[in-house]
Amino acid sequence: DADVTQTPRNRITKTGKRIMLECSQTKGHDRMYWYRQDPGLGLQLIYYSFDVKDINKGEISDGYSVSRQAQAKFSLSLESAIPNQTALYFCATEGGNADTQYFGPGTRLTVL
Amino acid sequence: AQKVTQAQTEISVVEKEDVTLDCVYETRDTTYYLFWYKQPPSGELVFLIRRNSFDEQNEISGRYSWNFQKSTSSFNFTITASQVVDSAVYFCALSTYTGGFKTIFGAGTRLFVKA
Repeated sequence: DADVTQTPRNRITKTGKRIMLECSQTKGHDRMYWYRQDPGLGLQLIYYSFDVKDINKGEISDGYSVSRQAQAKFSLSLESAIPNQTALYFCATEGGNADTQYFGPGTRLTVL
Repeated sequence: AQKVTQAQTEISVVEKEDVTLDCVYETRDTTYYLFWYKQPPSGELVFLIRRNSFDEQNEISGRYSWNFQKSTSSFNFTITASQVVDSAVYFCALSTYTGGFKTIFGAGTRLFVKA
């Protein structure tokens, strides 16, 4: 089984809809992250969580919210989706002796 | 302000050539972390290395090596004897914790390795 899973893998939705992207990990890591990637660009940090009770905004958190339901689960919500939120979304974990990072496979979100 | 520059947008090499991907960063923090990631055509992201600002030792992992030089604010990545499977976009990133955690990615370098 994959270390980090994301659901759904692809989603097409309409402007104004609420969307939740889910992330689960089996690494036992405390630190988890949500990033978005726009075509031809690097990643931008949306939210991060260094443990279950610690949630912080990243550089581009406007229009997004998160929930850390457990150490293993970190969900990203778009309360009212807009077209410029069309992007590839990645969840990641970090931990272990070498602070290794593991990424989920990504969720491709299209907002029409 | 933090900044990461990957000046090489695309590089094309022939298999077995060595190739170096450049990364120059800017930060006023004395404690920071540098990263390299690989994104193959399939789209997933693969973590390659994490280096803290106090460790300037070069790192080698198989055909991959990294050269960290604080004096020039660079963290360059070399692939020795490149292979077709190395074709990907490579991202360099910088993380700092002062005033809250921040992470900045470079725009990436697309590497084409031709057989």
